[in-house]
Amino acid sequence: GIQVEQSPPDLILQEGANSTLRCNFSDSVNNLQWFHQNPWGQLINLFYIPSGTKQNGRLSATTVATERYSLLYISSSQTTDSGVYFCAVEGRSGGYQKVTFGIGTKLQVIP
Amino acid sequence: DTEVTQTPKHLVMGMTNKKSLKCEQHMGHRAMYWYKQKAKKPPELMFVYSYEKLSINESVPSRFSPECPNSSLLNLHLHALQPEDSALYLCASSQISTLGNTIYFGEGSWLTVV
Repeated sequence: GIQVEQSPPDLILQEGANSTLRCNFSDSVNNLQWFHQNPWGQLINLFYIPSGTKQNGRLSATTVATERYSLLYISSSQTTDSGVYFCAVEGRSGGYQKVTFGIGTKLQVIP
Repeated sequence: DTEVTQTPKHLVMGMTNKKSLKCEQHMGHRAMYWYKQKAKKPPELMFVYSYEKLSINESVPSRFSPECPNSSLLNLHLHALQPEDSALYLCASSQISTLGNTIYFGEGSWLTVV
């Protein structure tokens, strides 16, 4: 099946700093989503972005499908941004609806 | 607010108990999913239902039994579980498209097997 790698695995930021999270995937994808999992376990949709660039407030994401990677940018980080960020992909081969998650990036934003 | 609702939020059960996790969505989605997430790990797919029929079973042990009574409801019946089955169980739903499916998750059910 498709392989998904995320980096860095852990990240500590001072409040107000910017960061970039990366997701590499091993095959063509129909779908790529970025999620934020809060400390209570809920997975919150950030972006649906199989290709191109999107922005939502302080967050933006870019997926370069031809080079098989996606980036999540967090600007002016806040303590509420803390949690785990997952990249999840639905491969084009190997059966649709089989969404594979990366291991996640655990982000801690300190005041 | 999530539009996928899961109950209960927390469940503690003995190894001989029978219990069920429930999931409901009213977004008109025709695909529903169960994922299992262990601590410090990513979610792992267990089952997918498409048009109320089981379409994917990721070799899940038979002590987990899914059921999709209608297009809005998804259950996960639990019987004779082991302590290692303790985890966060996440339900999700999506439209059905071979061009890509945006998945929406519920808040999860935290299961502890004692």
